[in-house]
Amino acid sequence: DAGVTQSPTHLIKTRGQQVTLRCSPKSGHDTVSWYQQALGQGPQFIFQYYEEEERQRGNFPDRFSGHQFPNYSSELNVNALLLGDSALYLCASSLWGSQETQYFGPGTRLLVL
Amino acid sequence: DQQVKQNSPSLSVQEGRISILNCDYTNSMFDYFLWYKKYPAEGPTFLISISSIKDKNEDGRFTVFLNKSAKHLSLHIVPSQPGDSAVYFCAASPLNNNDMRFGAGTRLTVKP
Repeated sequence: DAGVTQSPTHLIKTRGQQVTLRCSPKSGHDTVSWYQQALGQGPQFIFQYYEEEERQRGNFPDRFSGHQFPNYSSELNVNALLLGDSALYLCASSLWGSQETQYFGPGTRLLVL
Repeated sequence: DQQVKQNSPSLSVQEGRISILNCDYTNSMFDYFLWYKKYPAEGPTFLISISSIKDKNEDGRFTVFLNKSAKHLSLHIVPSQPGDSAVYFCAASPLNNNDMRFGAGTRLTVKP
């Protein structure tokens, strides 16, 4: 079992560009959540997907969007990148309704120049 | 908004002694509290949790204490081991709500 995998590991973009980050959940998990972790801070909840729908959203603008595929994998898209979007983006998978079984991936480090 | 605060960015303890990591929160709607441990280049790993109906939960060397009136929780590690050296995050949410709020983390170093 590979656990939660994320790609790419690192990414450099310039302001105004768009980025897509990918996540494959742990085998058996049906729910994917995305978090943004800025340097020196804890993870901040962006949104959660279950059954290919966004089920809950944190305090992030519409520039942040996502998708979940039938195989439960997920993408996070960020449009019109800002310098402040530079962060570690963490994906976590779980069983729907169970907060304890949330497994995190290693993250994608995004640098916006 | 910093609804969950870990005021100590770092803590250093001797192997075999007790490590106490603290966490304060402001939102009285939080009902469920978790501790995560993070090693470099890895995602956070769930360690232990507690719901608001309890004031203590124990799992081996790890115990979490919750003081709802003070809006404070703590993680005790006894005895501390060098392998416990990591960043520890406190997280909180209303029950059955996935918008978990995390603290900024405390870096624990356990010296041999």
